[in-house]
Amino acid sequence: AQSVTQLDSQVPVFEEAPVELRCNYSSSVSVYLFWYVQYPNQGLQLLLKYLSGSTLVKGINGFEAEFNKSQTSFHLRKPSVHISDTAEYFCAVSRPDSSYKLIFGSGTRLLVRP
Amino acid sequence: ETGVTQTPRHLVMGMTNKKSLKCEQHLGHNAMYWYKQSAKKPLELMFVYSLEERVENNSVPSRFSPECPNSSHLFLHLHTLQPEDSALYLCASSQMAGTGNTGELFFGEGSRLTVL
Repeated sequence: AQSVTQLDSQVPVFEEAPVELRCNYSSSVSVYLFWYVQYPNQGLQLLLKYLSGSTLVKGINGFEAEFNKSQTSFHLRKPSVHISDTAEYFCAVSRPDSSYKLIFGSGTRLLVRP
Repeated sequence: ETGVTQTPRHLVMGMTNKKSLKCEQHLGHNAMYWYKQSAKKPLELMFVYSLEERVENNSVPSRFSPECPNSSHLFLHLHTLQPEDSALYLCASSQMAGTGNTGELFFGEGSRLTVL
């Protein structure tokens, strides 16, 4: 069975500081990887995805993530955060042999302080 | 751009009421999903419909009854709910069958349900 682990339930950071949200997955086969963002009282919005090719993926709002196969990680980063980045961030993985069903991590709340 | 639209956005109901949540997708997808999101809990997949056929039902109580009349519309009928059913209910769609399938989900804004 595959799983997705987001090690930090909450990450507080000051405005304009860099941030990294961690995501690890367990799978013995190749996977597709996703990061979603959820602003208060809204649905989930895709930030970025890794399907194949370059391991560094750039997404919306200045976020990027790096796929590391040997460490089975897909950490999300942003060099300088804004107050408006305060939200819940979900990592998710899908596998071709499980009908591509998305498995979500438990989420990390990013709290940006002025 | 409102690819997946959910109504109502907010709903308050008593335990004896009957209500329905509606979801509509304008993306041409062939699969639709209901998720439940409660405070302090992970996202819970409730139901999956692929090509209008229910393909997954994750031990959801019978007081939740899904309906998928066509590939663009999905309903969640609610009756005799409990206060612990209060949550944000998210609808999503995807291109499940065929080529180009990656598992990527497109979500609606959610329906915030409060059961008194």
